[in-house]
Amino acid sequence: GAVVSQHPSWVICKSGTSVKIECRSLDFQATTMFWYRQFPKQSLMLMATSNEGSKATYEQGVEKDKFLINHASLTLSTLTVTSAHPEDSSFYICSASKGVGDNSPLHFGNGTRLTVT
Amino acid sequence: GQNIDQPTEMTATEGAIVQINCTYQTSGFNGLFWYQQHAGEAPTFLSYNVLDGLEEKGRFSSFLSRSKGYSYLLLKELQMKDSASYLCAALDSNYQLIWGAGTKLIIKP
Repeated sequence: GAVVSQHPSWVICKSGTSVKIECRSLDFQATTMFWYRQFPKQSLMLMATSNEGSKATYEQGVEKDKFLINHASLTLSTLTVTSAHPEDSSFYICSASKGVGDNSPLHFGNGTRLTVT
Repeated sequence: GQNIDQPTEMTATEGAIVQINCTYQTSGFNGLFWYQQHAGEAPTFLSYNVLDGLEEKGRFSSFLSRSKGYSYLLLKELQMKDSASYLCAALDSNYQLIWGAGTKLIIKP
């Protein structure tokens, strides 16, 4: 069964509004979660690493004021796309590792398809 | 720079065998993952190799050669449901995942 739950699965919003995406680890505590973005027919692009109780680490080129990440508990990380624009339309996926080691496989949420009109 | 190369697309016949290759160049190496991603869905974990050799899991096997910077995913007895993209990802010395662009596998009856 799923070990990482992501909500919502899809969302349509108007330009200028904000959208919050939730990522939950279901049966384990995740001190670290990862947020990815994926454009059609392209690979995953790591946006940021979400750390419980501390600030997220953003990848180069990702605007931290636009993509707000909050990891308030060991089972929940949220990504808020602020003042969304049509170019923000994409497939956003979160992931977490259930294991302890750095080489533990990632478990992905089902993804959120965001469409900004 | 760090790079992962895998074919963009492959076609195979139902019931046959297909091998998807992946070559990697990373700063250090801590293992290689294969993920399966169906269209419109998130990736799911298939395999992890860190030592040279072949790891078999049912119809799927994954091979690694560290000296050659090379891995392959072997799918046997192909089924229509195996039509998906297969992502190769390598862990570098900082345990950062470097993702390939994925190989779209098309299965024909």
